[in-house]
Amino acid sequence: NAGVMQNPRHLVRRRGQEARLRCSPMKGHSHVYWYRQLPEEGLKFMVYLQKENIIDESGMPKERFSAEFPKEGPSILRIQQVVRGDSAAYFCASSPEVADTQYFGPGTRLTVL
Amino acid sequence: AQSVTQPDIHITVSEGASLELRCNYSYGATPYLFWYVQSPGQGLQLLLKYFSGDTLVQGIKGFEAEFKRSQSSFNLRKPSVHWSDAAEYFCAVGPNTGNQFYFGTGTSLTVIP
Repeated sequence: NAGVMQNPRHLVRRRGQEARLRCSPMKGHSHVYWYRQLPEEGLKFMVYLQKENIIDESGMPKERFSAEFPKEGPSILRIQQVVRGDSAAYFCASSPEVADTQYFGPGTRLTVL
Repeated sequence: AQSVTQPDIHITVSEGASLELRCNYSYGATPYLFWYVQSPGQGLQLLLKYFSGDTLVQGIKGFEAEFKRSQSSFNLRKPSVHWSDAAEYFCAVGPNTGNQFYFGTGTSLTVIP
C-alpha cells in the first residue's frame, strides 16, 4: 500500500514563474491537506480538500495560491508569480476520514531564485 | 485559540539515556493529539496518537506519550535513546471536529555517543 506521493521532490523556480506541486493521497483516502513549512518552523495549515471540493482554505494566501483536487488525478497546489518568500517545504497529507489521522508525503522543497 | 507549544527548541542527550520531549496545547474541546518525527529532508512519520481511552499511549520505535488533561500536556518519552532517534519531533493537535491540525514548532534532538 503506497503512501502519500508528492512530486516533484525539489522544484526550483525564478521569481515570477509558476510552481505546480502534486500530491497523490494514499489509496482509499479522499481527504487531502496541504501544509507549508518554513525553515526552523513547524507546519502551517494551508488548505483542506475533498474530491472536487475545497473545504477549508483559511490558511492559504488570498493571492497567487490555489489548490484543487479533481475527480481524477492528484491534488495540485499552484503558486503563480512566485516570490522568494514562497521558498519552503510544502507537505501534503491525506486521511481516510475527516478528523482522522493524517499521513504525510515526503514534501516538495521549493526554491525561488 | 488553538495552539501547541513545544518549549524546548533543541535537546541533546547521550545514547542510552532517557528522553522526554514536552508538549503543551491550548484547545477548546477534547483534542486528538499526535507526535510526528521528521528526519532531515524527509516527510513526517507518525509516532503515536491519542484519541481517547488510556492516557498512556504506546507508539513505534519504543516511544510512548502520556496525556494529562489537567496540565494540557502530551509529553513524549523514551527510556533509552538510540543514535537513530536524532531528528525533529513535532507535536500536533487535531480536531475531533473540523479540519486543521495545529503543529508545534518542533524539538530538534541530537544524540551523542
